[in-house]
Amino acid sequence: DQQVKQNSPSLSVQEGRISILNCDYTNSMFDYFLWYKKYPAEGPTFLISISSIKDKNEDGRFTVFLNKSAKHLSLHIVPSQPGDSAVYFCAAAGGATNKLIFGTGTLLAVQP
Amino acid sequence: KAGVTQTPRYLIKTRGQQVTLSCSPISGHRSVSWYQQTPGQGLQFLFEYFSETQRNKGNFPGRFSGRQFSNSRSEMNVSTLELGDSALYLCASSRGLAGVSQFFGEGSRLTVL
Repeated sequence: DQQVKQNSPSLSVQEGRISILNCDYTNSMFDYFLWYKKYPAEGPTFLISISSIKDKNEDGRFTVFLNKSAKHLSLHIVPSQPGDSAVYFCAAAGGATNKLIFGTGTLLAVQP
Repeated sequence: KAGVTQTPRYLIKTRGQQVTLSCSPISGHRSVSWYQQTPGQGLQFLFEYFSETQRNKGNFPGRFSGRQFSNSRSEMNVSTLELGDSALYLCASSRGLAGVSQFFGEGSRLTVL
């Protein structure tokens, strides 16, 4: 049972344009959401997070939007750069254990 | 400050063998979590150790086990390896119980032939 889903396994975007990565979740106990970025041969690194009391969090070129009623979050990267090419994982935490549940990842390719 | 260190980085085993992977957390971190990453499955939680005790466990068979030592270093063991165990095994550490403040190592890439 995949509680956190990233339905797009890959996304290709032109440099300078907006990248939008989507994530859906099923567990209403989740109250904290994160995005991680992973380059090949490296471990995931934390990118940005959002608490369920907010609907938007911005950090430079990265913005995360949370729609609690739809159980949906998205990561916007504007403008996209070739160095953003990586696998992006969304993750959710909450409930009794507070352990992180990860999505399956989306491979973003930013074309120069 | 040294990051999370995992050894070995790459290894090849054959079906039926067993493997032990090691993880040294960031100094001062007491929680170590293990994840399996495979194409199409994302990062799947294996287990978490805190102060030498297993605190959380994912949905993996009993062939997957782990332990944590008094210095917070952790090992995970997979016995009777199967082809499907080929994956990147990631370790993450955090100061308190794992959740939203984990730092990941680079992973151990296991190939089972």
